Amino acid sequence: NAGVTQTPKFRVLKTGQSMTLLCAQDMNHEYMYWYRQDPGMGLRLIHYSVGEGTTAKGEVPDGYNVSRLKKQNFLLGLESAAPSQTSVYFCASSKVGSGANVLTFGAGSRLTVL
Amino acid sequence: GQSLEQPSEVTAVEGAIVQINCTYQTSGFYGLSWYQQHDGGAPTFLSYNALDGLEETGRFSSFLSRSDSYGYLLLQELQMKDSASYFCAVGNNAGNMLTFGGGTRLMVKP
Repeated sequence: NAGVTQTPKFRVLKTGQSMTLLCAQDMNHEYMYWYRQDPGMGLRLIHYSVGEGTTAKGEVPDGYNVSRLKKQNFLLGLESAAPSQTSVYFCASSKVGSGANVLTFGAGSRLTVL
Repeated sequence: GQSLEQPSEVTAVEGAIVQINCTYQTSGFYGLSWYQQHDGGAPTFLSYNALDGLEETGRFSSFLSRSDSYGYLLLQELQMKDSASYFCAVGNNAGNMLTFGGGTRLMVKP
């Protein structure tokens, strides 16, 4: 049982390049999330999804797009990367209702934008 | 919106008890959660309080007072492996989004 898997684990981009982070979960969770974490700080929600085909904006959505075409996958895209997007990105998933307070996180994807 | 306050750092000795406080201001509330994160690792779920009172899970306990918009995480019989960052998080009214505090870095010394 893999839980939540993120790819890639590390990536270096040049300013203006685009990329997609992939998140896959095998727990049949309805909800999925993308957070970013900057050094010494908490997690800030970028986008989230409450089900297949739905997405919504979180606290810091600018510069990112997401898609949830399949229940088990949640993709985070950067169309034109900027140095301010250098961060560690965590994907998470959860059940609905009170279970939504219990997030299962992936191992993280460390992105550096030069 | 939601905002959470917790101390940035706490230091304690092995075997001791430590309490990490969290106060929150929210436009809606759907429970208070606690997560642990070791350096370089992913956050992992520790506990969840939907109602007022104390929840105990082994050496860890979590408390919530909704009238005071306050909660805490209590760690007993501290071990070196408890050195990590601890985050409180509140759920929104719809129960589909968690907002995290800035985290408390706990250092356990021998």
